[in-house]
Amino acid sequence: DAGVIQSPRHEVTEMGQEVTLRCKPISGHNSLFWYRQTMMRGLELLIYFNNNVPIDDSGMPEDRFSAKMPNASFSTLKIQPSEPRDSAVYFCASNRESSYNEQFFGPGTRLTVL
Amino acid sequence: GENVEQHPSTLSVQEGDSAVIKCTYSDSASNYFPWYKQELGKRPQLIIDIRSNVGEKKDQRIAVTLNKTAKHFSLHITETQPEDSAVYFCAAKPTSGYALNFGKGTSLLVTP
Repeated sequence: DAGVIQSPRHEVTEMGQEVTLRCKPISGHNSLFWYRQTMMRGLELLIYFNNNVPIDDSGMPEDRFSAKMPNASFSTLKIQPSEPRDSAVYFCASNRESSYNEQFFGPGTRLTVL
Repeated sequence: GENVEQHPSTLSVQEGDSAVIKCTYSDSASNYFPWYKQELGKRPQLIIDIRSNVGEKKDQRIAVTLNKTAKHFSLHITETQPEDSAVYFCAAKPTSGYALNFGKGTSLLVTP
């Protein structure tokens, strides 16, 4: 298994532009999580899906952020318009539906908004 | 919601010494407590976890202890090696849902 796949690995954009981050979970996993990591705030959960349905999006910072999971093998996190304070590493993670299953993280997308 | 506090934020030890990282949680119904290790520029990876019905778990040089009454759990690394240098995150999972609440992380430096 290739593990959780994220693209792009690095993104540099200018303030005001739309950014789309992509994630492919591990096959057979039915829970998917989007995290944001910064030095100041650590690892923050933005949103998570179970069976493609958003369960908790209380971590999404503002309306500029949106996430979708159109099918079991693909999810996107979109920021529109982007701002410099959105600069961070964004991780996607997945696991099988269970209380005790390990979350497997993708390699992350390092986003820089100028 | 669940609040996870982690201490210390940085820890420096000499090779061969032990390292201890402590976390507290607020939701007494939390039932799963994993620890993740994140090396510089890499993704977080699970190193050990413990369920609420167990007080201690060991895996070679690492161990985790859980005190449900006090609502705290700790990571112990013995005979530390330079390759143990990384950021370590604790997490707690509330009974409902599958999301984890992470602590802010501990940056561990093991000096030769």
